[in-house]
Amino acid sequence: AQKITQTQPGMFVQEKEAVTLDCTYDTSDPSYGLFWYKQPSSGEMIFLIYQGSYDQQNATEGRYSLNFQKARKSANLVISASQLGDSAMYFCAMRGGGSARQLTFGSGTQLTVLP
Amino acid sequence: DAGVIQSPRHEVTEMGQEVTLRCKPISGHDYLFWYRQTMMRGLELLIYFNNNVPIDDSGMPEDRFSAKMPNASFSTLKIQPSEPRDSAVYFCASSLVTENIQYFGAGTRLSVL
Repeated sequence: AQKITQTQPGMFVQEKEAVTLDCTYDTSDPSYGLFWYKQPSSGEMIFLIYQGSYDQQNATEGRYSLNFQKARKSANLVISASQLGDSAMYFCAMRGGGSARQLTFGSGTQLTVLP
Repeated sequence: DAGVIQSPRHEVTEMGQEVTLRCKPISGHDYLFWYRQTMMRGLELLIYFNNNVPIDDSGMPEDRFSAKMPNASFSTLKIQPSEPRDSAVYFCASSLVTENIQYFGAGTRLSVL
């Protein structure tokens, strides 16, 4: 069984500062994928970034980067130069290996960016 | 592309009534997923389809829930009869077989009174 753990229910960051949102995972699959999604107060789920378990380099997408530490089973999201519009709920998710395609989600971290 | 389209965006109904949620995936996508989001259980998979065929329905709560995908561009999730504990946000998502990313619709917020 797969499990995603997000231990920070809420985080605050000052505008223009960087912030790290924690995510640890547990799986017995040798091949898996890790995702981060953003859910603003309007409710939609927005894909941010993806990291494959065999990817040699950490994924980056603009101001988002994924700090992937395979041995520690962690996949932390780093947001650089925070903006007010980054205030949202952030979910870490995992897709296991093989033919299974579904995502398992963590409980989320509510990020608030302060002006 | 228009993205994944869900309707209605909001649904309020009374206990015992039938509810039908609709989803149009992104054109050309091979997979379609239905998720449910509640405060108590978070985001959980209900069912997913590959090329219109249900692959895993182990997350469907009980027989009151059913999902169909009659063609590549349309899926429904039906609850009959609905109960107050079904109140949640229901998301539809789609993806390509060649890509890991799932793209979500805006969700349907269901309230069962």
